[in-house]
Amino acid sequence: RKEVEQDPGPFNVPEGATVAFNCTYSNSASQSFFWYRQDCRKEPKLLMSVYSSGNEDGRFTAQLNRASQYISLLIRDSKLSDSATYLCVVTPDAGGTSYGKLTFGQGTILTVHP
Amino acid sequence: NAGVMQNPRHLVRRRGQEARLRCSPMKGHSHVYWYRQLPEEGLKFMVYLQKENIIDESGMPKERFSAEFPKEGPSILRIQQVVRGDSAAYFCASSPPWVSTDTQYFGPGTRLTVL
Repeated sequence: RKEVEQDPGPFNVPEGATVAFNCTYSNSASQSFFWYRQDCRKEPKLLMSVYSSGNEDGRFTAQLNRASQYISLLIRDSKLSDSATYLCVVTPDAGGTSYGKLTFGQGTILTVHP
Repeated sequence: NAGVMQNPRHLVRRRGQEARLRCSPMKGHSHVYWYRQLPEEGLKFMVYLQKENIIDESGMPKERFSAEFPKEGPSILRIQQVVRGDSAAYFCASSPPWVSTDTQYFGPGTRLTVL
């Protein structure tokens, strides 16, 4: 089983749509959780951290369910500029030298069309 | 404050040659991470270094790959006797010492093509 699993998509949605991405992780001791965005042939960029209480940043809402080992990202009112690959990222538990190592899912491709 | 710098941005090598990839972290950052992204795949952790120390190399292939982060100068990822399967994008990230090492800033990557 992969450490971090995502539906690769692609998701093709019209402008203004709401789209949700899901991610599961296998290590119950994982410490921190993030969503990154990667544009074609560019470096990944941090979109937002994910907390159990849920967090929102404008049109983006992220949620963590530790019991189910499940992370979600919701994008409301999609824009053309949201087209990218969205990466679910997890860090291991805080003990040992693995702290700081980011484990990436394979990414979910989103295309927003006019 | 300049971001993480990587060079070269594109590197072409023939099978059997050596590839050297350089990463200059953001100013004040003392932690460097290397990740590899094979075509159509996600990023995979390779190695985590602090100045003059390898902290975690659990993602490094056992042979032909090495990394260093000297006291002065950039971090270097070295691949000896490259093979076609080494063709990938190699991303470097850095983080400062005074915050959680979860906070990593990525460079633009080096795209290695092995002919």
